[in-house]
Amino acid sequence: KNQVEQSPQSLIILEGKNCTLQCNYTVSPFSNLRWYKQDTGRGPVSLTIMTFSENTKSNGRYTATLDADTKQSSLHITASQLSDSASYICVVIASGGSYIPTFGRGTSLIVHP
Amino acid sequence: DTAVSQTPKYLVTQMGNDKSIKCEQNLGHDTMYWYKQDSKKFLKIMFSYNNKELIINETVPNRFSPKSPDKAHLNLHINSLELGDSAVYFCASSQGPRAGGNRNSPLHFGNGTRLTVT
Repeated sequence: KNQVEQSPQSLIILEGKNCTLQCNYTVSPFSNLRWYKQDTGRGPVSLTIMTFSENTKSNGRYTATLDADTKQSSLHITASQLSDSASYICVVIASGGSYIPTFGRGTSLIVHP
Repeated sequence: DTAVSQTPKYLVTQMGNDKSIKCEQNLGHDTMYWYKQDSKKFLKIMFSYNNKELIINETVPNRFSPKSPDKAHLNLHINSLELGDSAVYFCASSQGPRAGGNRNSPLHFGNGTRLTVT
């Protein structure tokens, strides 16, 4: 069964600090992995996409890594801001057919001033 | 100039009623979706339409009936609502038929409709 597990479930940090969110998956065969940011009361917004051959992808203060061998990804947030407070969702897409995505439950990040 | 807009934002209704949620996208995408986010925050795909044609139906009860009058609209009608239908429903769109979006076209989500069945 395809699964995506994220840790930690929630995280509280001070503004300006860095943090790293983890994603482990069992989706197979693998097509690509995305990180989405979901603000409270809003729909998810795509941050990064990574394919099998990509190890690192950056989008501003967000840097995602992928280890396809161990089936792990991480999202590193640098110099956090209050606006980073949100849920961060890891999504893994299986290849073949309609490329169905499997969503993780998300990590709830709270950034305090 | 909201890209994917869905209405209503909140919907409170009683068991057994029939309700509809509307969705429109102005991104010119050819594929639209309905996702359900349950109380545990997991998002799951329900349906996808590519060029008005149903391409994914993820074992959703037939009380749920999507309708796509054109590429820019995908509405969701729910008959005989049950308590377990309470959730947040997200409409999304992308270019291309792949359910998770493709490399150059991630999913663009609406802001959700919170459905509460009492």
